[in-house]
Amino acid sequence: AQSVTQLDSQVPVFEEAPVELRCNYSSSVSVYLFWYVQYPNQGLQLLLKYLSGSTLVKGINGFEAEFNKSQTSFHLRKPSVHISDTAEYFCAVSDRDMRFGAGTRLTVKP
Amino acid sequence: GAGVSQTPSNKVTEKGKYVELRCDPISGHTALYWYRQSLGQGPEFLIYFQGTGAADDSGLPNDRFFAVRPEGSVSTLKIQRTERGDSAVYLCASSLSRQDTQYFGPGTRLTVL
Repeated sequence: AQSVTQLDSQVPVFEEAPVELRCNYSSSVSVYLFWYVQYPNQGLQLLLKYLSGSTLVKGINGFEAEFNKSQTSFHLRKPSVHISDTAEYFCAVSDRDMRFGAGTRLTVKP
Repeated sequence: GAGVSQTPSNKVTEKGKYVELRCDPISGHTALYWYRQSLGQGPEFLIYFQGTGAADDSGLPNDRFFAVRPEGSVSTLKIQRTERGDSAVYLCASSLSRQDTQYFGPGTRLTVL
């Protein structure tokens, strides 16, 4: 069965700094990979997804992620964060069912 | 267009009571999912519907939980004899098909006193 590990529960960062949110997965079959964002008191919103093809995936709000099959990772990056990026970020893997990580709380400070 | 909607947004009930949570998916989406999100955790898969049938209910924690989707659109998650441990945010999502992007509703926050 697949599983997802988000290595950092909280990531504080200053505005305009780069950020990387780490995600590792395990699965015995080919998978689809996702990053979702959850703003306070709102529902989950898809940031980006990897289905096949290019391992570098670009999403909304300037985020991107790189699929690394050998390291079973799908880390999320943004070169320069804004205050408005403060939210909870969830990595997810799907081969049959969608399995989510525990989430990483990104806090962007001025 | 309209997204996934869930009602009520908040539900407070007493231990032992029965509750129903409703999900209205995006029109035309044949796949519908229920998840449960406990505090500080990611969403946990409960059940997946393809059309009217529950294609995968392997995530339901026990037989107190049941879900229906009689006409292939609106779905209701039913919880019998609620326990304090059932307190969580219940999320619904829908997609065109199982491998397509899932769109999430805002959730129902259930509190069992």
